[in-house]
Amino acid sequence: AQSVTQLGSHVSVSEGALVLLRCNYSSSVPPYLFWYVQYPNQGLQLLLKYTSAATLVKGINGFEAEFKKSETSFHLTKPSAHMSDAAEYFCAVSEDNAGNMLTFGGGTRLMVKP
Amino acid sequence: DTGVSQDPRHKITKRGQNVTFRCDPISEHNRLYWYRQTLGQGPEFLTYFQNEAQLEKSRLLSDRFSAERPKGSFSTLEIQRTEQGDSAMYLCASLSDGGSYEQYFGPGTRLTVT
Repeated sequence: AQSVTQLGSHVSVSEGALVLLRCNYSSSVPPYLFWYVQYPNQGLQLLLKYTSAATLVKGINGFEAEFKKSETSFHLTKPSAHMSDAAEYFCAVSEDNAGNMLTFGGGTRLMVKP
Repeated sequence: DTGVSQDPRHKITKRGQNVTFRCDPISEHNRLYWYRQTLGQGPEFLTYFQNEAQLEKSRLLSDRFSAERPKGSFSTLEIQRTEQGDSAMYLCASLSDGGSYEQYFGPGTRLTVT
């Protein structure tokens, strides 16, 4: 079975500071990995995905993530936080490498201080 | 493309009652997914359909839960004899077979069982 661990259920940064949200996964097959963002009272929105192409993946809103097989990690970063980045972020792995049956981590709530 | 819609957005019911939720996927998306999200947790996969065929069911989906997608378009999720532990956000997502691997999520139905 696949699993995802997100270290830090809450992360607080100052506006303009680096954002780093950690994600580690376990998978018995080469993984497809995703980061989703959830704003209050809204559905999840895809930020970016890794599907066995380039290991450094760029997404929307200035976010990017790097797939590191040796570390089984897929950490999400953004060079400069904006107030509008405050939200819940979820890392997920696909169980069957076709985008089906996502297994999500517990989520990290990002808070951005002015 | 009007996005994934779910109805109702909120449902309060008494323990023991039956409830039914509806999901309308993005048109022409042939895959449809149901997830459950409890407070402070990431979504958990429940079941998914390819067209009208239900291909996978999680162990989380007890026999009180049933999902259908009779014509390969909208889907319904029914919970019989609701329990307080069923209180959660029920999320629906859809995906196209075109190889994007991106699940598009609806806003969810929040169920409260009193």
